[in-house]
Amino acid sequence: AAGVIQSPRHLIKEKRETATLKCYPIPRHDTVYWYQQGPGQDPQFLISFYEKMQSDKGSIPDRFSAQQFSDYHSELNMSSLELGDSALYFCASSLGNYLKSTDTQYFGPGTRLTVL
Amino acid sequence: AQSVTQLDSQVPVFEEAPVELRCNYSSSVSVYLFWYVQYPNQGLQLLLKYLSGSTLVKGINGFEAEFNKSQTSFHLRKPSVHISDTAEYFCAVTAPGEGRRALTFGSGTRLQVQP
Repeated sequence: AAGVIQSPRHLIKEKRETATLKCYPIPRHDTVYWYQQGPGQDPQFLISFYEKMQSDKGSIPDRFSAQQFSDYHSELNMSSLELGDSALYFCASSLGNYLKSTDTQYFGPGTRLTVL
Repeated sequence: AQSVTQLDSQVPVFEEAPVELRCNYSSSVSVYLFWYVQYPNQGLQLLLKYLSGSTLVKGINGFEAEFNKSQTSFHLRKPSVHISDTAEYFCAVTAPGEGRRALTFGSGTRLQVQP
């Protein structure tokens, strides 16, 4: 079965540079979530989109922005990168339907961002 | 807001022994509960979930968990572990009643299966 695809899998950037992470959800899934997992930490929710609209916001820095496109893929844009942004970034997708509230999130393999 | 506490950061166990990974949650509304497993350098894989109905939930790889509302717990169990079960296990919660679909994770439990 098709899974969530994230690209790139690894990314190395310098401080103050920008980075763009991409997420391709499971076909027919309409909801995308972004999580950040620092070294030895649990994943922390950043932001989510349902039907191309922002649906929820977590601890996402102002330097980061994201959007969901018409084909439901999502991009996380990160500017003015800091050393502390080094982490594993996960994307998860689900079949949202907020009326039914039974969506289960399926995670991609993650993008490992290293800021030097 | 909801929170999750995983009481054990590491659990060493011998192969073929039973194991229980503990998870307690806190929420003022009804919750959905999940267990995810993360193998080294990999993403998160869903083991099992509790949405409603039977409090005993069976998942993949022989794992099961029991939802206990009075004790606000969702402990994960396996009767006989294998070396391949060595991984990080995360308990997570969502609170659909608050319109919150994003997962709140516990700090994780590292299961180390020894031969």
